[in-house]
Amino acid sequence: QLVQSGAEVKKPGSSVKVSCMASGGTFSNYAISWVRQAPGQGLEWMGGIIRIFGTTNYAQKFQGRVTITTDESTNTAYMDLSSLRSEDTAVYYCAVGSSSLDPWGQGTLVTVSS
Amino acid sequence: DIQMTQSPSSLSASVGDRVTITCQASQGIRNALNWYQQIPGKAPKLLIYGASNLEPGVPSRFSGSGSGTDFTFTISSLHPEDIATYYCQHYDNFPYSFGQGTKLEIK
Repeated sequence: QLVQSGAEVKKPGSSVKVSCMASGGTFSNYAISWVRQAPGQGLEWMGGIIRIFGTTNYAQKFQGRVTITTDESTNTAYMDLSSLRSEDTAVYYCAVGSSSLDPWGQGTLVTVSS
Repeated sequence: DIQMTQSPSSLSASVGDRVTITCQASQGIRNALNWYQQIPGKAPKLLIYGASNLEPGVPSRFSGSGSGTDFTFTISSLHPEDIATYYCQHYDNFPYSFGQGTKLEIK
């Protein structure tokens, strides 16, 4: 089961770091992906990390702005998004897997507003 | 990047109806395709992986088929609890992408 951090309100230009903790398991043998969903919109793949290989892959759209990491000591994955703008207002989901995503976290609403 | 085109974008059907959704990839993706169900206010749930494999615990009325560029998702007999938005997602290579979704409603 994946448990994500709570909702955030951020100013344009700032950064947000969303956490995703695995309960009842460890990330070391898994991949974690991040997907976001703007209000009333579809799903958008942002990127993922394959912990066992130490590799990350990001959608070109977010290159340079997003960083996905894991902390094995706390079984937590993180998604850090910088230079926030209003269009980044969305629910951010973590999910286990690098190809087939399951299960998913409950989602974290990030609101970017001045 | 590979684009996924889903159709229809919305669909209204009656309980017991057979429902079909299609997903087309902009280039061949072999069978690297998943289908997800998203009930309003909830996180997506994986239903079908590898184009045609039913995720354990998912009812057998759900099925998927296809390979290459053209894929189909079918609900053989619509139940009221199937009201949701359905998404296809390719994983042939990075970056992965989703179709725009099909919103399924009860008639």
